[in-house]
Amino acid sequence: SQKIEQNSEALNIQEGKTATLTCNYTNYSPAYLQWYRQDPGRGPVFLLLIRENEKEKRKERLKVTFDTTLKQSLFHITASQPADSATYLCALLAAAGNKLTFGGGTRVLVKP
Amino acid sequence: DTAVSQTPKYLVTQMGNDKSIKCEQNLGHDTMYWYKQDSKKFLKIMFSYNNKELIINETVPNRFSPKSPDKAHLNLHINSLELGDSAVYFCASSQFRSSYNSPLHFGNGTRLTVT
Repeated sequence: SQKIEQNSEALNIQEGKTATLTCNYTNYSPAYLQWYRQDPGRGPVFLLLIRENEKEKRKERLKVTFDTTLKQSLFHITASQPADSATYLCALLAAAGNKLTFGGGTRVLVKP
Repeated sequence: DTAVSQTPKYLVTQMGNDKSIKCEQNLGHDTMYWYKQDSKKFLKIMFSYNNKELIINETVPNRFSPKSPDKAHLNLHINSLELGDSAVYFCASSQFRSSYNSPLHFGNGTRLTVT
């Protein structure tokens, strides 16, 4: 069966360090992978999109990599700040499908 | 200037009741969605409409019925509410049908509690 897995344990990190989150998938042929941020009591907010033929994408302090051989995406927050504390969700759009499927999210807590 | 707005934000009701959640987007998007987020925080798609046409209908009980009067609105009606329906329901929209180059824009959710 198709699965999207993110580390369910919270990631505690010191301010200024780089946070690295993992999104692994099985039995998918994703065309696109997206990352969202969700704050408590709010809806997810889109951050970055990466296509299957792209290895890396950057936006300000955020970097996403996509390895279709490993079936994995890594999401990096460099120079992390307490304001980066949130839950981060990865989502995949299958090449043959038209719906975006989400992982369970990883909570990040950046301590000052 | 809310892009995707849904009402109510909180909904507490008893088992067996019928309730509706409303959603409106002012982004001019063609496609709208309903997602359910359970207590484990998994977001699962329920329905999707493109220009008022139902294009995704996941395996949800037929007590759930979406209605799209126009492409800016997508409402969710739930009949005979059950305890297991308690969750946060998110409305979302995207510019294009398959989200290829058009990420989802979410509302802030409706927390439904069935007692």
